[in-house]
Amino acid sequence: AQTVTQSQPEMSVQEAETVTLSCTYDTSESDYYLFWYKQPPSRQMILVIRQEAYKQQNATENRFSVNFQKAAKSFSLKISDSQLGDAAMYFCAYKAGAQKLVFGQGTRLTINP
Amino acid sequence: DAGVTQSPTHLIKTRGQHVTLRCSPISGHKSVSWYQQVLGQGPQFIFQYYEKEERGRGNFPDRFSARQFPNYSSELNVNALLLGDSALYLCASSRGPGGESEAFFGQGTRLTVV
Repeated sequence: AQTVTQSQPEMSVQEAETVTLSCTYDTSESDYYLFWYKQPPSRQMILVIRQEAYKQQNATENRFSVNFQKAAKSFSLKISDSQLGDAAMYFCAYKAGAQKLVFGQGTRLTINP
Repeated sequence: DAGVTQSPTHLIKTRGQHVTLRCSPISGHKSVSWYQQVLGQGPQFIFQYYEKEERGRGNFPDRFSARQFPNYSSELNVNALLLGDSALYLCASSRGPGGESEAFFGQGTRLTVV
């Protein structure tokens, strides 16, 4: 069974600094997608960034980028120039084909002004 | 365009009662999935529907059921509620069931069982 592990329950960073959230996963599939979702106190899950496993190039969305290591089954999220609005729960998720989204346990990110 | 709409936003039920949660997907989206998020944990998959057919079911008891209507909206039903069913129930819609189709989430229904 596919599993997703986030080993950092909580992280904090000073505003304007860079922070990296870790995620590892386990799968026997060769073709899949990886995601980072943000869940603010409003509860709505928002997609931050997506990575296709067949792409070697790491995905980037403005201040958000990933470090995708397929062989190591690692998928970390780097947030540059952290802003107060980045404070939220962050979930790493995996999906293979038409299967379900499998989420990690989440990392609570705090931004210190 | 309207996003994914879930109703109600909050509700309180008593043990043993039945509850129905509703989800309206984004226009043009034919796939709806339901997730249960217990406080402090990541969402757990309950059901996926695509083109009104069940495409996947998570490890939940038969007290949980769902359906998708011709307009692609969906209902999640839970019978004989237990205290452990207290959670945030999230609905996600996408154009298709595959990972290439981005999943958009609603704001969830907070269910409290007392």
